[in-house]
Amino acid sequence: KQEVTQIPAALSVPEGENLVLNCSFTDSAIYNLQWFRQDPGKGLTSLLLIQSSQREQTSGRLNASLDKSSGRSTLYIAASQPGDSATYLCAVSQAGTALIFGKGTTLSVSS
Amino acid sequence: NAGVTQTPKFRVLKTGQSMTLLCAQDMNHEYMYWYRQDPGMGLRLIHYSVGEGTTAKGEVPDGYNVSRLKKQNFLLGLESAAPSQTSVYFCASTITGLSGNEQFFGPGTRLTVL
Repeated sequence: KQEVTQIPAALSVPEGENLVLNCSFTDSAIYNLQWFRQDPGKGLTSLLLIQSSQREQTSGRLNASLDKSSGRSTLYIAASQPGDSATYLCAVSQAGTALIFGKGTTLSVSS
Repeated sequence: NAGVTQTPKFRVLKTGQSMTLLCAQDMNHEYMYWYRQDPGMGLRLIHYSVGEGTTAKGEVPDGYNVSRLKKQNFLLGLESAAPSQTSVYFCASTITGLSGNEQFFGPGTRLTVL
């Protein structure tokens, strides 16, 4: 059974710092991996999707990498801002079915 | 283009009452999903549908039923609500299950069962 783990569970950094969020999964047979952002009391906003054949994706200050063979993905956030404070969720898709989620990393960026 | 919408946004039920949550998408997506999100448990799949008229069970289907009579709508029903069903419910959709297709989520329904 696929399991997705995110470390750390919570992270506090000062504004301007570059940071890395980690995601690991136990079964490398994935279709894709998505990173989401969730603000308190809100829905999920898709940040980046990496297909199984890809190694990384970039969007603005965000860069996500995927190493399928080792079961790892990282989300790199450059020059963090207070507006980046949120919970970041990693999820993998297998065989075209639903996403399997990690429990998230709650990020707090202080000004 | 509204994306994925959910109705209602909030609801309080008493134990034993029934209700239906409505999910609608205007992106012509084939696949639709219902998840629940609980503290410390993350998001878990309840039921899903790979096309109009089809449904399938997910990880936590007990106590829920679903229907997909129209391609754009996916309904989640609670026949006899229990306090354990207090949760935030999210609907999602995607074009197909292929690797390049991301899932889009609705804003959620916050349900409390007393």
